[in-house]
Amino acid sequence: GDSVTQMEGPVTLSEEAFLTINCTYTATGYPSLFWYVQYPGEGLQLLLKATKADDKGSNKGFEATYRKETTSFHLEKGSVQVSDSAVYFCAANSGGSNYKLTFGKGTLLTVNP
Amino acid sequence: GEEVAQTPKHLVRGEGQKAKLYCAPIKGHSYVFWYQQVLKNEFKFLISFQNENVFDETGMPKERFSAKCLPNSPCSLEIQATKLEDSAVYFCASSPTRLLPQETQYFGPGTRLLVL
Repeated sequence: GDSVTQMEGPVTLSEEAFLTINCTYTATGYPSLFWYVQYPGEGLQLLLKATKADDKGSNKGFEATYRKETTSFHLEKGSVQVSDSAVYFCAANSGGSNYKLTFGKGTLLTVNP
Repeated sequence: GEEVAQTPKHLVRGEGQKAKLYCAPIKGHSYVFWYQQVLKNEFKFLISFQNENVFDETGMPKERFSAKCLPNSPCSLEIQATKLEDSAVYFCASSPTRLLPQETQYFGPGTRLLVL
């Protein structure tokens, strides 16, 4: 089955700093890849996704590019804000028999003013 | 509705008691998924439905867990005789009518179950 590995953090940054959260996957075939965000006390929200190699997903200043050659989907943002403080989850879906999402363990990001 | 709704938000049970969780998928979505988020943020897939039919239940501990999605009713996840290790946040997600890997699964706010 699929597996997803992401840097666990926690990551602490100052406002306007550059953010990278690494994510790599193993899967049979080419999964669709997702970044979800979980704000304190809330559920998961889709942040962005990419469904094939070299696709770039982007939303709210965040970007991630589907890299088949390195099996990676790293999340980046050029200038983080305090409101970006949350837990970020990388996930993969290869379909298979159940179309379940396979998640990484999440990365806690804290942005200080 | 436009969002996945889950009730209750919090649930506390003594070990051995029954727990029942509810999920209303987004209107028009045909697929429902249940996930369990345990300590250290790990997600475990439990079960999925296509409308009222079980699509895949390979993640379900069948001896104590059961789930249903009946027409015109919220989906439910029931745990008979809860154990301490069932303490977790249970998320429901729904997905539109096409079941494809690239389809977004939309998550509810979760139900936090604490077993004492």
